[in-house]
Amino acid sequence: AQRVTQPEKLLSVFKGAPVELKCNYSYSGSPELFWYVQYSRQRLQLLLRHISRESIKGFTADLNKGETSFHLKKPFAQEEDSAMYYCALSGSNYQLIWGAGTKLIIKP
Amino acid sequence: ETGVTQSPTHLIKTRGQQVTLRCSSQSGHNTVSWYQQALGQGPQFIFQYYREEENGRGNFPPRFSGLQFPNYSSELNVNALELDDSALYLCASSAGLAGGGTDTQYFGPGTRLTVL
Repeated sequence: AQRVTQPEKLLSVFKGAPVELKCNYSYSGSPELFWYVQYSRQRLQLLLRHISRESIKGFTADLNKGETSFHLKKPFAQEEDSAMYYCALSGSNYQLIWGAGTKLIIKP
Repeated sequence: ETGVTQSPTHLIKTRGQQVTLRCSSQSGHNTVSWYQQALGQGPQFIFQYYREEENGRGNFPPRFSGLQFPNYSSELNVNALELDDSALYLCASSAGLAGGGTDTQYFGPGTRLTVL
């Protein structure tokens, strides 16, 4: 079965602290994984994709095939990082399979 | 460059009715995907259209149907509405370069459907 699991519905950290948003997946093939973000009153937008190995807004994510994980990390959280974060997997049949999302709150 | 737009913003229907939601894709994009997002959940893939043809479908019944027009705008039709169809419906367009979910998808603001 193709599935994406984000175990935390809510994550709250202080400004300047490290952030790690967890994402685990189940997929039999070679996965392509994404992180999408939705800031308050804005639409969903792509944050990063594993294939490009970019760092966007200080966030990075490494695909760990052994642990079937694609955790999103940032060493020093900023208040503007507060948002809803979704991990997604490009599955068969041209679809994106999404996790339930993690709400990240950065406390001042 | 014009972003993805959706209409209407909100809609209230009763059980058994039919509804049509509309999406205008971003300029230069030929692929449109539709998602259903229930409260507190991630989006669920309904289907995708590429150059006017259905290009993939998620686990939704046939009463969910769609169209894509020559200008690449799209419609989502839902017949025989059920209470569980209440959700936010998202449309996303992409350039269709690599195919399917692999392409970067650009989302519209969504249509909030309430079924009473």
